[in-house]
Amino acid sequence: DSGVTQTPKHLITATGQRVTLRCSPRSGDLSVYWYQQSLDQGLQFLIQYYNGEERAKGNILERFSAQQFPDLHSELNLSSLELGDSALYFCASSPLAGGYNEQFFGPGTRLTVL
Amino acid sequence: AQKITQTQPGMFVQEKEAVTLDCTYDTSDQSYGLFWYKQPSSGEMIFLIYQGSYDEQNATEGRYSLNFQKARKSANLVISASQLGDSAMYFCASKGGRRALTFGSGTRLQVQP
Repeated sequence: DSGVTQTPKHLITATGQRVTLRCSPRSGDLSVYWYQQSLDQGLQFLIQYYNGEERAKGNILERFSAQQFPDLHSELNLSSLELGDSALYFCASSPLAGGYNEQFFGPGTRLTVL
Repeated sequence: AQKITQTQPGMFVQEKEAVTLDCTYDTSDQSYGLFWYKQPSSGEMIFLIYQGSYDEQNATEGRYSLNFQKARKSANLVISASQLGDSAMYFCASKGGRRALTFGSGTRLQVQP
């Protein structure tokens, strides 16, 4: 158990809908990262938050957004869902914003868009 | 930008033998970190081992060791005494400065009894 929690574990929805994925980092970790794992794109970095502030952006679509709350949990919002958004979404946390600390991953949320 | 290449889509190894999973990287950063993660069929990503670019000694964590050859830009993972529970996808990743992890395409390892 990495100490990072993600809910829900599975999510099935229809095209055009909006969903919210939730992540709680390890105790004491200030940085939260979101990654998407799909069959065609592999593991891709989406966005990073550090202590409530957006820190870095990766290949995140404009239909997707995220935030980190004062209690450090984070939410990833996916809207106008398309079939291609079906993927495993991971949240990871680390103590710092930069440096080379290992990132600890949550169990992931498997999103299926029908 | 960083790029990770894992050229072995799949590998087989006999139980109790050692196996090397290849990873080469390309980066313009002077300072960077290299990581290996394991993803079992259950889906979670498990951190295995880390190597810093300025570390002179190869990293080791139990049965895992990282064979770091900076001049060749390679960071191969060596698993000694393979166990059936080692069957999984293995991902090499790099991180430079403030950036997030960049992952390779992974290698599926199957340990045979």
